[in-house]
Amino acid sequence: AQSVAQPEDQVNVAEGNPLTVKCTYSVSGNPYLFWYVQYPNRGLQFLLKYITGDNLVKGSYGFEAEFNKSQTSFHLKKPSALVSDSALYFCAVRDEDTDKLIFGTGTRLQVFP
Amino acid sequence: EPEVTQTPSHQVTQMGQEVILRCVPISNHLYFYWYRQILGQKVEFLVSFYNNEISEKSEIFDDQFSVERPDGSNFTLKIRSTKLEDSAMYFCASSDLPAGLSYEQYFGPGTRLTVT
Repeated sequence: AQSVAQPEDQVNVAEGNPLTVKCTYSVSGNPYLFWYVQYPNRGLQFLLKYITGDNLVKGSYGFEAEFNKSQTSFHLKKPSALVSDSALYFCAVRDEDTDKLIFGTGTRLQVFP
Repeated sequence: EPEVTQTPSHQVTQMGQEVILRCVPISNHLYFYWYRQILGQKVEFLVSFYNNEISEKSEIFDDQFSVERPDGSNFTLKIRSTKLEDSAMYFCASSDLPAGLSYEQYFGPGTRLTVT
């Protein structure tokens, strides 16, 4: 069965420093991977996706993610964190047989000024 | 930018009552979904809907749940007899193609359902 794992419940980073939010996946075929962000009292906002092509995917708000097939990872990155990036981040994979999304448990990113 | 909207933002109901959660997907989208997130837990798939019928449903989506697209713009989730464990944030999502065809799902802001 397809799954994603987010090993960190919380990531703390100082404003201006680079950030990484980790995600690993398990699929039997080609992975379709997504990152979503959830701000307080808001829905899930799409950040970026990997379907095929370049391993480095660029998305909204300056975020990018690196697909690594050998490590089965899809870590979310940003070169310089902002306090306004503080939110809950979810990695997701598309189920191979259907189009439903399977979410990780989420990682809370806290950016300190 | 078009958005998925959901009403109400918060619904409080007594155990055993029926609730209807409403969603207005993005207008040209064809695929519709409900997910839920119990407090502190991950987002879980409930049901997908396409061409006026359910495409897939999870084991959570039992006979107490139903979905409907009554008028070509709204997409509703009905829980016939709510239980305490139905308390969660319910998200509606839509896409113009299935996620596996390179199109992501767009989520609404959610309805927080509290069953007392």
